[in-house]
Amino acid sequence: QKEVEQDPGPLSVPEGAIVSLNCTYSNSAFQYFMWYRQYSRKGPELLMYTYSSGNKEDGRFTAQVDKSSKYISLFIRDSQPSDSATYLCAMSPPAGNKLTFGGGTRVLVKP
Amino acid sequence: DTGVSQDPRHKITKRGQNVTFRCDPISEHNRLYWYRQTLGQGPEFLTYFQNEAQLEKSRLLSDRFSAERPKGSFSTLEIQRTEQGDSAMYLCASSLAGTAIYEQYFGPGTRLTVT
Repeated sequence: QKEVEQDPGPLSVPEGAIVSLNCTYSNSAFQYFMWYRQYSRKGPELLMYTYSSGNKEDGRFTAQVDKSSKYISLFIRDSQPSDSATYLCAMSPPAGNKLTFGGGTRVLVKP
Repeated sequence: DTGVSQDPRHKITKRGQNVTFRCDPISEHNRLYWYRQTLGQGPEFLTYFQNEAQLEKSRLLSDRFSAERPKGSFSTLEIQRTEQGDSAMYLCASSLAGTAIYEQYFGPGTRLTVT
């Protein structure tokens, strides 16, 4: 079983809808939680990071971490067609040197 | 500027051939990472360097794989006797030692197709 699980999708939503993404994990040592966006044939780019538990908001994006349930979420408000991409969660322990990724969720925002 | 660059962007090779990829990190970054991403999956860690030293290798990095960073600047990843299962995107990332884990910046990747 993988350390980080993520539904592969695709998740199709109409423009303007809220996109809800999530990951579950098994390693309780993870303390850094990141969300990356990856367009086709490109490298991942960091969207948001959270340390330990709690919520974090940045513009249209909200990241949530529930360490008791080993569950993290990303919400995208007012989705745009340009948000169509694969979204990857990634995690690391506090002194870690490598990222452990989920499998990614493909999101399609239809105009 | 200068983000992380990778060359080539796409490589098609026949099974059994050797291939080499190059990564140029962001200029002041002394850490360099290699990840592999197969179709429909997330990136998986392969190895990382701090300066010239290779500090960690994943068990995914079989004997056919070798990575080097001879002068602490660019890095190469060589795959010998390629197999169809090596078909993947090979991603490079760089960071500055002592910065947070999320401050790894990824390159555009090299897509390898083994026929």
